[in-house]
Amino acid sequence: GNSVTQMEGPVTLSEEAFLTINCTYTATGYPSLFWYVQYPGEGLQLLLKATKADDKGSNKGFEATYRKETTSFHLEKGSVQVSDSAVYFCAHSNSGGSNYKLTFGKGTLLTVNP
Amino acid sequence: DVKVTQSSRYLVKRTGEKVFLECVQDMDHENMFWYRQDPGLGLRLIYFSYDVKMKEKGDIPEGYSVSREKKERFSLILESASTNQTSMYLCASISGDFSGNTIYFGEGSWLTVV
Repeated sequence: GNSVTQMEGPVTLSEEAFLTINCTYTATGYPSLFWYVQYPGEGLQLLLKATKADDKGSNKGFEATYRKETTSFHLEKGSVQVSDSAVYFCAHSNSGGSNYKLTFGKGTLLTVNP
Repeated sequence: DVKVTQSSRYLVKRTGEKVFLECVQDMDHENMFWYRQDPGLGLRLIYFSYDVKMKEKGDIPEGYSVSREKKERFSLILESASTNQTSMYLCASISGDFSGNTIYFGEGSWLTVV
């Protein structure tokens, strides 16, 4: 079936460290892939997305590349800041052939210390 | 500025009570969603609606129903609240499908059933 598996947290880093959060997926068809971020006390916001193989999504210094051969969409940032502390969710659309639903991973809590 | 508004941020209800969670979006979106978010489980889709009076079950519809009488409003109903429905509930909306459009989330409603 359709699923998203992402790295379990929590992840704790020092400011300016390199971040990787792994995400792999199973899906039918050709899904679009997303990373969402949830800051404390808020709803989810779209961080970045990629809609086809080899696309790279990027925003706020974060990047992720759609790798069809490895069914992965790993999130990376070269130098994290304290303000990046949040929960990060990987997701894909196209569950069961429909492009109207998202399937989410379980979320990864990131804490960045000064 | 786009907005998805959930009427109640924090609710405490008793077991067996009927609970209404209201969501309003001001973007004229056709598609609206209700998710619940639980630690270690991520977001799970309860119901979605792709038009007024239209609805489809998500992955965990048991114990819930929904109502969409107007395009801008999507209500989640717990007919008889139980303690295992204590959770954070997130409403979302999107115009069209996910490949070219952005889904917008409300800030969430924290429900505690005692």
